This record gives sequence, structure tokens and C-alpha cells, in this order.
Amino acid sequence: NAGVTQTPKFRILKIGQSMTLQCTQDMNHNYMYWYRQDPGMGLKLIYYSVGAGITDKGEVPNGYNVSRSTTEDFPLRLELAAPSQTSVYFCASSYFSGGAGEQFFGPGTRLTVL
Amino acid sequence: EDKVVQSPLSLVVHEGDTVTLNCSYEVTNFRSLLWYKQEKKAPTFLFMLTSSGIEKKSGRLSSILDKKELSSILNITATQTGDSAIYLCAGSNAGGTSYGKLTFGQGTILTVHP
Repeated sequence: NAGVTQTPKFRILKIGQSMTLQCTQDMNHNYMYWYRQDPGMGLKLIYYSVGAGITDKGEVPNGYNVSRSTTEDFPLRLELAAPSQTSVYFCASSYFSGGAGEQFFGPGTRLTVL
Repeated sequence: EDKVVQSPLSLVVHEGDTVTLNCSYEVTNFRSLLWYKQEKKAPTFLFMLTSSGIEKKSGRLSSILDKKELSSILNITATQTGDSAIYLCAGSNAGGTSYGKLTFGQGTILTVHP
């Protein structure tokens, strides 16, 4: 199993450009998440999904969009990139049992907006 | 709004020292408390605690949850330079539309000198 994979690993965007961060998991997990981590900070939840076709906002959803058409894939779309979106983005997945469960993280995408 | 606070924010010790990291939480419909270790890239799972007063151990690391005090501690004995990392704790929400969400603290940066 590859676990959670993310592409690209690094990206530099100009202000106003758009891009999609890809995330795929091969563990058949129902739950998937997108986080951002700013320097010296913990993880902030952007969006999450409890299954194909179902998504919901996290703490910091503004400027982002997601979709979940399959169990495996959970892409994150940035529209009109801004310098405030410079961060490291992590995708994670989980299989919940009884309302609790470990989240498995991808390797991250380091995004810089100039 | 769910909240998780960690202390101290940073800690510098020498090899062989014992450290205690603290985590307090305010999470509605609380289900579990998770600890992660983050070195250069993605967080890696350490412990998940759901029951108060029961210690979990893995080698030199141990953790315990106190639901009455809404807190948890992570102990590392006989620290090694390889323990240098950011330690993150997160509270799991198991209720309603927030089902499965983790709220992360800001992390404790541990530096172990030889």
C-alpha cells in the first residue's frame, strides 16, 4: 500500500493563478481531510469529507474548494491564489470506528504564492 | 468552537533528560485525544487515548488522558537526539456534523542536544 499520496511536492504560484492539489489514498478510508500548516503553527482544517459526494468546511475554507467523486481521491482547488495561502498542505485519511480513529497523513505540498 | 492548547511551545533539553508535554482541550462531543510526532514532513501517529487514567506506552514514550481535567500529557524518558521534533496533540469530535474532525494544538517544539 502506498498510503496517502500527494502531488505536487512543491509549487510556486503567482498571485491570481489557480491550481489543484491532488490527494489519493489506497486504504479504502471513508474520511479524508485537507489541512494547512503555517510556520511554527499546528494544523488547520480546510475541508473534510466523510465519503464520496459528501464534503464539509473546516476552520479555514475561504479561498479553497474540494470535491470527492471517488473514495480514493480528494483534490483541493485554489482559486485566485493569494500570498496568505503560502503554506504547507497536508492531506489525510481515516477509517472511523465508533467516532474515533487515527488519521494517516500524506507527505505534504509546499506552496508559495508570490 | 473546539480548541486545543499545548504547553510549553518549545523545550530544549539534553540527552537523557525526561520531558513532559502538556495538552488541554475543549472539544464538544469529545471522543479521543491523539498525539503525533512531526519531524521534517508529515505527522506520524503516536497514541490515541479514549479512556481516562489508562496509560499508553511505546518504548520510552507514554501518555495518559484526564477527562476530568480535560487534559493529557506525553512523557518521554531518557531523551535522545532523535526525539527532536514537533509534538502535536489533537482532539477528536464525534458528534453531529463535526463527526471525525480533529482539532490540533499549535505543537510543542522539542530540541534534544547531545
